[in-house]
Amino acid sequence: AQSVTQLGSHVSVSEGALVLLRCNYSSSVPPYLFWYVQYPNQGLQLLLKYTTGATLVKGINGFEAEFKKSETSFHLTKPSAHMSDAAEYFCAVSERSGGSNYKLTFGKGTLLTVNP
Amino acid sequence: SQTIHQWPATLVQPVGSPLSLECTVEGTSNPNLYWYRQAAGRGLQLLFYSVGIGQISSEVPQNLSASRPQDRQFILSSKKLLLSDSGFYLCAWSLAAGYTFGSGTRLTVV
Repeated sequence: AQSVTQLGSHVSVSEGALVLLRCNYSSSVPPYLFWYVQYPNQGLQLLLKYTTGATLVKGINGFEAEFKKSETSFHLTKPSAHMSDAAEYFCAVSERSGGSNYKLTFGKGTLLTVNP
Repeated sequence: SQTIHQWPATLVQPVGSPLSLECTVEGTSNPNLYWYRQAAGRGLQLLFYSVGIGQISSEVPQNLSASRPQDRQFILSSKKLLLSDSGFYLCAWSLAAGYTFGSGTRLTVV
């Protein structure tokens, strides 16, 4: 069974500082990996995803993540935090569960606050 | 382009009352559809998924049920709500590995 661990339920950074949100996964097959962002009382918006190919994935809003198979990690980074980045971030892993169905398993989320 | 609609956005219901949340998808055929619940501090939990009309798989035993009467319609229901049913409910669709989420329904059971 697949699982996702997000280290740190709450991360606080200063505006302009590096953002690093950690995600480790377990999966019995090569995984598809995702990062989603959620603003208060809204749905989830896809930031980026890794399926195959290049292990460094670039997403929206200046975020990127690197798939490291040896470390079973998919950490999310952004070089310089902006106030508008304050939100909750979810890492997720997807495995094919039969036919065309892919079950998405989420981490518990990391709340990012950005201080002025 | 594909869009997903979910309503209502917020709902306050008394304990013991019924529930019906609706989700529809446009611009795609035969999507896989999902209902997730997000409770405070507990992340997102998959409740139900459907790979076709009338096909429902339940992930956790609970007070809720789901139905898929049409290809692009997915309904979450309850006959009698419990306080523990409060949460943020999200519908999603996928054709392959990527999911697209609706805007969610905030349900408060009082």
